[in-house]
Amino acid sequence: DTGVSQDPRHKITKRGQNVTFRCDPISEHNRLYWYRQTLGQGPEFLTYFQNEAQLEKSRLLSDRFSAERPKGSFSTLEIQRTEQGDSAMYLCASSLAARGRRYNEQFFGPGTRLTVL
Amino acid sequence: SQQGEEDPQALSIQEGENATMNCSYKTSINNLQWYRQNSGRGLVHLILIRSNEREKHSGRLRVTLDTSKKSSSLLITASRAADTASYFCATDAEDDSGAGSYQLTFGKGTKLSVIP
Repeated sequence: DTGVSQDPRHKITKRGQNVTFRCDPISEHNRLYWYRQTLGQGPEFLTYFQNEAQLEKSRLLSDRFSAERPKGSFSTLEIQRTEQGDSAMYLCASSLAARGRRYNEQFFGPGTRLTVL
Repeated sequence: SQQGEEDPQALSIQEGENATMNCSYKTSINNLQWYRQNSGRGLVHLILIRSNEREKHSGRLRVTLDTSKKSSSLLITASRAADTASYFCATDAEDDSGAGSYQLTFGKGTKLSVIP
């Protein structure tokens, strides 16, 4: 399967614990995005990378959240000291962005559903 | 924050009927995209319409865009039970580099139920 993959698909944790999610984008895609989606809402942008550089972070991304993409391939999203309000679906997407290509479609992974008890 | 607002929030139709969903947004866009999401799963890209386009077709899908009214519609013709899902519009703002925006802004979605 050459689509975007995410691991794990489900995570249940206790409040105060740290969690880490992984995203593997489509191999030739240079942009990688993280979104969060709560029940009944659309996805909300968290952050994005172009290759290994993190170029933008949303105000939603508190200092308990950190994302990395060390080699410009897979990415990890870590949440420290989880809170019940962090319960959501965390979606990863990737796209191919290049000069002269003005329109980029984002391809989403299946998401990681986080439940904080 | 959510820019788009889909209308209606929920829609229930009989198989074979057409389904129309609307999306309104607030700021200037480079393009608008529609996605489908089956319950509790990831999003599937359906169609992208550029800001200089007015209408686009893909199979049973027809999308219109009216930038003067900042609105778009998605029409699904001859609906099937498998079309049951939530549908989201997402706006893509202009990127100064010309390489496309980094961020999609989604609405809250329309939940479509197609009854067999």
